Amino acid sequence: NAGVTQTPKFRVLKTGQSMTLLCAQDMNHEYMYWYRQDPGMGLRLIHYSVGEGTTAKGEVPDGYNVSRLKKQNFLLGLESAAPSQTSVYFCASSEDRQGATDTQYFGPGTRLTVL
Amino acid sequence: AQKVTQAQTEISVVEKEDVTLDCVYETRDTTYYLFWYKQPPSGELVFLIRRNSFDEQNEISGRYSWNFQKSTSSFNFTITASQVVDSAVYFCALGRGSTLGRLYFGRGTQLTVWP
Repeated sequence: NAGVTQTPKFRVLKTGQSMTLLCAQDMNHEYMYWYRQDPGMGLRLIHYSVGEGTTAKGEVPDGYNVSRLKKQNFLLGLESAAPSQTSVYFCASSEDRQGATDTQYFGPGTRLTVL
Repeated sequence: AQKVTQAQTEISVVEKEDVTLDCVYETRDTTYYLFWYKQPPSGELVFLIRRNSFDEQNEISGRYSWNFQKSTSSFNFTITASQVVDSAVYFCALGRGSTLGRLYFGRGTQLTVWP
């Protein structure tokens, strides 16, 4: 099993450009998440999904959109990139266990720089 | 509100020293989950442990041990006989028992182990 994979690993954008980050998991997990990691800030939740076709906002959703068309994939989109979106982006997935927070398994991260 | 505090931003030790990383959490939930993740210099997030609020038994795994104390809302992590390979950022995280599995992360502790 590959676990959680993310593409691309690195990307440089100019302000105003758009891009999509792809997350894929092969563990048949129901839940998927996108976090961003900034220096000294820990990880903050951007959006998450509790199943195919569902998405919900997290702590810092502004400027991002997501889609979960297939259970194994979770896409994060930046429609008009801003320098404040320079960050490392992590995708994670976990099983669905009602009333419990199951372990989240993380992808390797995508380092995004917006000039 | 849920909150995780890792007061130690950076810790430096010499190899073979024992080191304890502190984690203090805040929640009003009676059911919750606590996690530790390791982020080595390569950048990925590695799951170390998950503990639920009803299990206050300490856990030991090789050189790693965790001390969970509900009375002080703490979930501290000790590395015995530290090694250079333990150098990493360590994150403590809190998950709720009744909602959708999102994690609340502390800001992390950078541990450097010198040879």
